[in-house]
Amino acid sequence: SQQGEEDPQALSIQEGENATMNCSYKTSINNLQWYRQNSGRGLVHLILIRSNEREKHSGRLRVTLDTSKKSSSLLITASRAADTASYFCATARLIQGAQKLVFGQGTRLTINP
Amino acid sequence: NAGVTQTPKFQVLKTGQSMTLQCAQDMNHNSMYWYRQDPGMGLRLIYYSASEGTTDKGEVPNGYNVSRLNKREFSLRLESAAPSQTSVYFCASSDQRTPPYEQYFGPGTRLTVT
Repeated sequence: SQQGEEDPQALSIQEGENATMNCSYKTSINNLQWYRQNSGRGLVHLILIRSNEREKHSGRLRVTLDTSKKSSSLLITASRAADTASYFCATARLIQGAQKLVFGQGTRLTINP
Repeated sequence: NAGVTQTPKFQVLKTGQSMTLQCAQDMNHNSMYWYRQDPGMGLRLIYYSASEGTTDKGEVPNGYNVSRLNKREFSLRLESAAPSQTSVYFCASSDQRTPPYEQYFGPGTRLTVT
């Protein structure tokens, strides 16, 4: 079963606007990660936030984590056409030396020029 | 430095046929993973290997077997393919000894079972 529930499933905005995607999960986690997938390609890691962190920034990306609500959000500021992709949250649990990721269904983001 | 490579890129099988998907990484990572992605869905973990010589089941292991051949290579075998195994398969690796523990993904194998 998919642990992460992402919202919205699809988002279409104009270039230059900000895009916000949300993720909810059900169980305890070690960290939460966001990945991007361009059409027909593999996933690319964007950012990781640990369970004891509340906010993290990386370039135009801002991630928040609320463990009491079991939710996270990804904000992309000043969007560009190249940001068009699917975005997935993944909750991580460290088990026996490996990191098991459980992915959400993703948000399909379209940036219109 | 090729990262994570997968072969083949595409494969069509008939129901009941078997095949092995190959994965290799050149980043000296200790952990490797196999996922499947069905249309419009996120990835689901099939099997993983925390280190050379160990393998464990993930979320959807039925119908699959894996082999961690050495530190670089992790293969996924379908013994008797079924149409329900039509999917895109991704291999990934990570270094769990050093933060940030991100997983690096291969380009995927698109498998169709008829």
